[in-house]
Amino acid sequence: AQTVTQSQPEMSVQEAETVTLSCTYDTSESDYYLFWYKQPPSRQMILVIRQEAYKQQNATENRFSVNFQKAAKSFSLKISDSQLGDAAMYFCAYRRILAAGNKLTFGGGTRVLVKP
Amino acid sequence: DGGITQSPKYLFRKEGQNVTLSCEQNLNHDAMYWYRQDPGQGLRLIYYSQIVNDFQKGDIAEGYSVSREKKESFPLTVTSAQKNPTAFYLCASSPGTSGGGNTQYFGPGTRLTVL
Repeated sequence: AQTVTQSQPEMSVQEAETVTLSCTYDTSESDYYLFWYKQPPSRQMILVIRQEAYKQQNATENRFSVNFQKAAKSFSLKISDSQLGDAAMYFCAYRRILAAGNKLTFGGGTRVLVKP
Repeated sequence: DGGITQSPKYLFRKEGQNVTLSCEQNLNHDAMYWYRQDPGQGLRLIYYSQIVNDFQKGDIAEGYSVSREKKESFPLTVTSAQKNPTAFYLCASSPGTSGGGNTQYFGPGTRLTVL
């Protein structure tokens, strides 16, 4: 079974600085998708970024970028120029290419605190 | 506006009662999902539906039931058989269930508390 691990329960960053969140996963598949979701205090899950495993290029979305290391099964998220609105829980998620029902497997989350 | 709506935002239930959580989407998505989130934890899949009149159990389906009579609606019933129903419930939808484009998008959630 696939598992997703986020080893940092909480990270703190100064406004305008950079923070990196770690995510590792366990799978025997060669093709899959990885996601980072943000959950602000409103608790709605918001997609931040998505990475296809067959793409070597790391995905980027504005101030958010990932470092995808397939051999190491690592998928970290970098938030650059942190803003107060970035404060939230961040969840890493995994999905097989042919997952039954498009099932997502989530990590336990990392809380990001942004200091003004 | 296109999106996913869930109602109510907060729900209180007495022990032994069934309660139904609403989820509606106007994104014309084929697939819909229900997740449960407990404090300090990630999401766990309860049920999913890939098409109208069809649904499948997820990882923690015991004590829950669903229906999918319309494409845009996927209500979740928390039955009295669910031993620990107090949690945050999130509904999601995606265009389909295969391929790279089928990212899941989430509703705002319902907080259920059993008194």
